[in-house]
Amino acid sequence: SYELTQPPSVSVSPGQTVSISCSGDKLGDKYACWYRQKPGQSPVLVIYQDDKRPSGIPERFSGSNSGNTATLTISGTQSMDEADYYCQTWDTTTWVFGGGTKLTVL
Amino acid sequence: EVQLVESGGGLVQPGGSLRLSCAASGFTFSNYDMHWVRQVTGKRLEWVSTIGTSGATYYPGSVKGRFTVSRDNAQDSLYLQLNSLRAEDTAVYYCTREGGTYYIDSWGQGTLVTVSS
Repeated sequence: SYELTQPPSVSVSPGQTVSISCSGDKLGDKYACWYRQKPGQSPVLVIYQDDKRPSGIPERFSGSNSGNTATLTISGTQSMDEADYYCQTWDTTTWVFGGGTKLTVL
Repeated sequence: EVQLVESGGGLVQPGGSLRLSCAASGFTFSNYDMHWVRQVTGKRLEWVSTIGTSGATYYPGSVKGRFTVSRDNAQDSLYLQLNSLRAEDTAVYYCTREGGTYYIDSWGQGTLVTVSS
């Protein structure tokens, strides 16, 4: 079965840029998307189809996907960005999520 | 505004059954593929089922044969029948809408299913 791997945790200082990786076999050949989940809340879509931002998501959120890795990048990170981030893709009728990355803004 | 409101969660014994419901509003329900996604507290999200606009259904191996997804377009409602429940099915179950090619653009608030004796 297809798997997506994310680092368990990443930390960043306010105002800095942070990247969160998501790895899977030939992931670049598929669409990847990203969700943000804050404690006690439902996930929210922040990037879809590799690099598109839904309305209402700040421009500091960007995405890329190539080879075996999709990447979520947050520029000028703010304290409000502290959350869990999950990548997701689709593989032959199966929806697959990564294990999630806890982003800490120090 | 898109709204998805789940109900039907609760405590059930191993081997028992439960039926989850999701009331949709703010969009033309019949035009969208819908999914159930679950999350063990604070951990990985797991896809549970898909029902397409045509009524076609899909499941992962972990729930296939035990869970059944259905929809009632006249009532703008999505359902998930959970049978032969196991302790590992304990999770928050989210009703979600597929916004486009392979991504979810709307999530409900979730309903908690606890399987325990």
